Amino acid sequence: QKEVEQNSGPLSVPEGAIASLNCTYSDRGSQSFFWYRQYSGKSPELIMFIYSNGDKEDGRFTAQLNKASQYVSLLIRDSQPSDSATYLCAVKGSGSGNTPLVFGKGTRLSVIA
Amino acid sequence: EAEVAQSPRYKITEKSQAVAFWCDPISGHATLYWYRQILGQGPELLVQFQDESVVDDSQLPKDRFSAERLKGVDSTLKIQPAELGDSAMYLCASSLEPGEAGFTGELFFGEGSRLTVL
Repeated sequence: QKEVEQNSGPLSVPEGAIASLNCTYSDRGSQSFFWYRQYSGKSPELIMFIYSNGDKEDGRFTAQLNKASQYVSLLIRDSQPSDSATYLCAVKGSGSGNTPLVFGKGTRLSVIA
Repeated sequence: EAEVAQSPRYKITEKSQAVAFWCDPISGHATLYWYRQILGQGPELLVQFQDESVVDDSQLPKDRFSAERLKGVDSTLKIQPAELGDSAMYLCASSLEPGEAGFTGELFFGEGSRLTVL
């Protein structure tokens, strides 16, 4: 059973601070990793994806991947109240073909103004 | 911008009734997924189609759930009879195929169909 683990939170940070969201996964063969943001009652929307070990930056967001430790994280710099949402970590399964994404339970982030 | 269309957005039904959800993926996306998301949980795959063929339905409760994509375009997910535990958001998503230009592995989600079973 392929698993993706996240701390459900809530994670509370003050406005302007850095929010750090973490995720571990069980499928060592996984190659693609995704962070989705989901506002209450809405569907998930992609923030960014990462394939290679190291950091990938996009605006205020930085994804970090360590395949040896089976660990992926998302940093949000200069957090804003509008960043308050649930953040879903998703891992594309190893194997042939178009394997589906396996999602964690999500971490609820609250940015306090 | 191309979108995944889903309907209905909201459905309230009584247990033992039948319900159906419809999804139209982004044009040209061969792969279509149905996920179920219970409140407070992450999305869980119910069924994956490639064109009109089922690729994975191992997590679909086949005694009450069925899914079809007859012409390889739009899809319907049916529940009969509905149970209280089926209350959830039903998410449809589609994606490009590996090797296609622009493929990232990203799933493009529709707005979802929220089901409440009373």
